[in-house]
Amino acid sequence: EIVLTQSPGTLSLSPGERATLSCRASQSVSSIYLGWYQQKPGQAPRLLIYGASSRATGIPDRFSGSGSGTDFTLTISRLEPEDFVVYYCQQYGSAPATFGQGTKVEIK
Amino acid sequence: QMQLVQSGPEVKKPGTSVKVACKASGFSAVQWVRQARGQRLEWIGWIAVASGITNYAQNFQGRVTITWDMSTGTAYMVLSSLRSEDTAVYYCAAGYDGSGYLHWGQGTLVTVSS
Repeated sequence: EIVLTQSPGTLSLSPGERATLSCRASQSVSSIYLGWYQQKPGQAPRLLIYGASSRATGIPDRFSGSGSGTDFTLTISRLEPEDFVVYYCQQYGSAPATFGQGTKVEIK
Repeated sequence: QMQLVQSGPEVKKPGTSVKVACKASGFSAVQWVRQARGQRLEWIGWIAVASGITNYAQNFQGRVTITWDMSTGTAYMVLSSLRSEDTAVYYCAAGYDGSGYLHWGQGTLVTVSS
């Protein structure tokens, strides 16, 4: 099983700042099958990025994904108030699929 | 994104089973994920719609079965031998190969209590 480790656990930033979230895999992940999700309280997760770097339908361009192999990054270029929630990475190319433990972005 | 429609909340006794439905026609794969209150997302399993091939997380092996009803375009997840730790919101999510899981259900709260 591929273990995904997200860091940091909590990221404290101010609106307008840049956020960089990391997702590290215990073994190589096919980039085609690496996704990032945003989850607001009481809601289902929302797909932001698939294939490591492709934005999902309707996702603002301030969200971008990069990386390959074992290291992947989600970048939010300028934080908006609604971005201060929890983010998860998932790999679904190697059975079983797995999620990272999440990164909470909070207002500083 | 289209929201998938899941069946309603369930209250079950320990040791029994629960069956959760998810209307998801037109996609190539459906996964099931759960989340206990305040906890992380936990992957349960997946089904390839065309072939019916399934894969389950080790933690659920032997207790979970995911199926697909082609006639109604509905995926089902059955979790058996329920225990209190299975109390969580269960989500289905669907997508196309290589495009991620864009579409999610509203979640089904399963409560296991004696």
